Amino acid sequence: DTEVTQTPKHLVMGMTNKKSLKCEQHMGHRAMYWYKQKAKKPPELMFVYSYEKLSINESVPSRFSPECPNSSLLNLHLHALQPEDSALYLCASSQGGASGNTGELFFGEGSRLTVL
Amino acid sequence: GESVGLHLPTLSVQEGDNSIINCAYSNSASDYFIWYKQESGKGPQFIIDIRSNMDKRQGQRVTVLLNKTVKHLSLQIAATQPGDSAVYFCAAPYRRTGNQFYFGTGTSLTVIP
Repeated sequence: DTEVTQTPKHLVMGMTNKKSLKCEQHMGHRAMYWYKQKAKKPPELMFVYSYEKLSINESVPSRFSPECPNSSLLNLHLHALQPEDSALYLCASSQGGASGNTGELFFGEGSRLTVL
Repeated sequence: GESVGLHLPTLSVQEGDNSIINCAYSNSASDYFIWYKQESGKGPQFIIDIRSNMDKRQGQRVTVLLNKTVKHLSLQIAATQPGDSAVYFCAAPYRRTGNQFYFGTGTSLTVIP
């Protein structure tokens, strides 16, 4: 199994809503990542988890709250988002931890978020 | 942050021709580079990678060249096919407190049948 699975594929939410994005991998990878991608732009790193611990937070606003319940799962909790947060949110995983030799990133298909 | 950028934002090629996509990087300590392909509505897919102890690596119809002297890498696609139409990103880890991967600005490749 070489897949990273993200749900939901599409999400529409209001600025007062609380929702979550979910990501799952069963490749035994030890690092998991959240990226945000706006249209016609490259993915921008948000968070990195290494061995289930948050190792990198790229100055992401607190309305985005990551969670790594176990080595296979990564969540992104959303609360009080703004319309400019509308984007494609990509989850990725890599074999190594977030320090040392990670190897390539494996990406999911993304969750397309629209904030009204 | 570190800069990993591309020279050409768009590229159109005839089917069957070879394509060359370029990428420049600024961190001379970067020792690992990846090329990703992203089709519309999908996540990035790994194409090929190269470590800094190599100048060239070949895959199926793709070749990556690395010139560490000028901090430049390129992706060559042989006999480009319509299915190659996508946005191509180079990416490199920025080894600060961890291996954050940063992406270049991307090149949109369109293959003309």
